Formats: sequence, C-alpha cells, structure tokens
Amino acid sequence: AQSVTQPDIHITVSEGASLELRCNYSYGATPYLFWYVQSPGQGLQLLLKYFSGDTLVQGIKGFEAEFKRSQSSFNLRKPSVHWSDAAEYFCAVGSRSGTYKYIFGTGTRLKVLA
Amino acid sequence: SQTIHQWPATLVQPVGSPLSLECTVEGTSNPNLYWYRQAAGRGLQLLFYSVGIGQISSEVPQNLSASRPQDRQFILSSKKLLLSDSGFYLCAWSVRGASYNEQFFGPGTRLTVL
Repeated sequence: AQSVTQPDIHITVSEGASLELRCNYSYGATPYLFWYVQSPGQGLQLLLKYFSGDTLVQGIKGFEAEFKRSQSSFNLRKPSVHWSDAAEYFCAVGSRSGTYKYIFGTGTRLKVLA
Repeated sequence: SQTIHQWPATLVQPVGSPLSLECTVEGTSNPNLYWYRQAAGRGLQLLFYSVGIGQISSEVPQNLSASRPQDRQFILSSKKLLLSDSGFYLCAWSVRGASYNEQFFGPGTRLTVL
C-alpha cells in the first residue's frame, strides 16, 4: 500500500542549530515528492518539490531536501533554524500517473528554542 | 496571479445541523480541485477531488458530499453534521493536465461541531 511516514511527531531544536526532518515513502514507482509547511491555523505553503533530475532540491526559506531512491526517503534540512521556522511540516507524495492525488504524512511539529 | 479563497474561516455548528463550505479559485481556468480534512494530531486526509464541473470523486465514505457547480467553485456539504466532522478543512487546486501536480492550498476553515 502507498504510504508516507514521518517518524518524528515533535522535534525541538535551538535557534541557530541545524535541522533534519525525516520522510520515508512506500510507493510503486518514484513519485513526485513535496514538503509543505503549515503555521498554526493556516493553510499549507509549499517549501520545495522533487520531480526529476538533481536529487538535492532547494526550496524557500533556506530549506533543502535530498531524494534518496535506495532509501525511499526525502528528508528536509536546514543548516540554521530561525525562531520563525516553528510550524508543522508535512511530506507528501504525488502520482506521476495523472490521478492528481497526494498522500500526506502525519506531520512533524517543530519547536524552536530561543 | 492565482488565489484561492475559503469561507467561512471558522464555524461552530450543532450536531445534526447542515453544512456548506465554499472554496473559489481566481486567476486560473479548469483547475483540479480538492477537499482535505485535517483532524487534530493527524495528517491531511483527502475527502474529494474534482477534475471538472460536475465531476466529483469521493475518497472516503462519510457524512459529507461535494459539488462543483462552476469551474472555479468547489463546495463541501453535509445534511446532518456529526461530532466526528469537526476539524480543519482545506481546499486546494492544481493545474489540470500539467506534467506535474503541485497543489496550492487555501487558508482553511475551522469547523467545530458541538
């Protein structure tokens, strides 16, 4: 069955520290891959996406993610976290077959300590 | 540029009452449209998606229904709300026929059923 796993429900880091949020997927073929961020009570904003090509993708707000086919992973990273990065982060996979449906992970809530 | 609107932003309804949530998209034509529900502590669950006027696909059997009376309008409805219908409802759109299927999300509606 297709699924997306974000194993860390909560992560707390100090401001200025590095960050890595994990995402693993189970899919029949290489899907499209996305990371979204959601501030409290708000909609989702796309941070970055992977379709093909370079497996290290750059996104907005200084985030990057690396697609590792052998590990079925698409982990999100940021070298230095800012207090404004506190939010919930969702990994999602989309089908290349045109069904237009996403599967979302359950999210990782990031807390940033001053 | 494209924008997506949802209203109302918040809603408190008694059990057994009807529901109508509206989503409209501006600045694009023939979008794919989606309704998601986000329950506390859980990820996003796709409820419905639509690839055209009057074309609705339901992902999860439930107490809700969706309609698309116009190209850029997507409505989520219920005849009688249940307590379990409480949650954060997100509408999203994507470009139809694109080789990728990035989704753009609205600001959401917080529904509380008492």
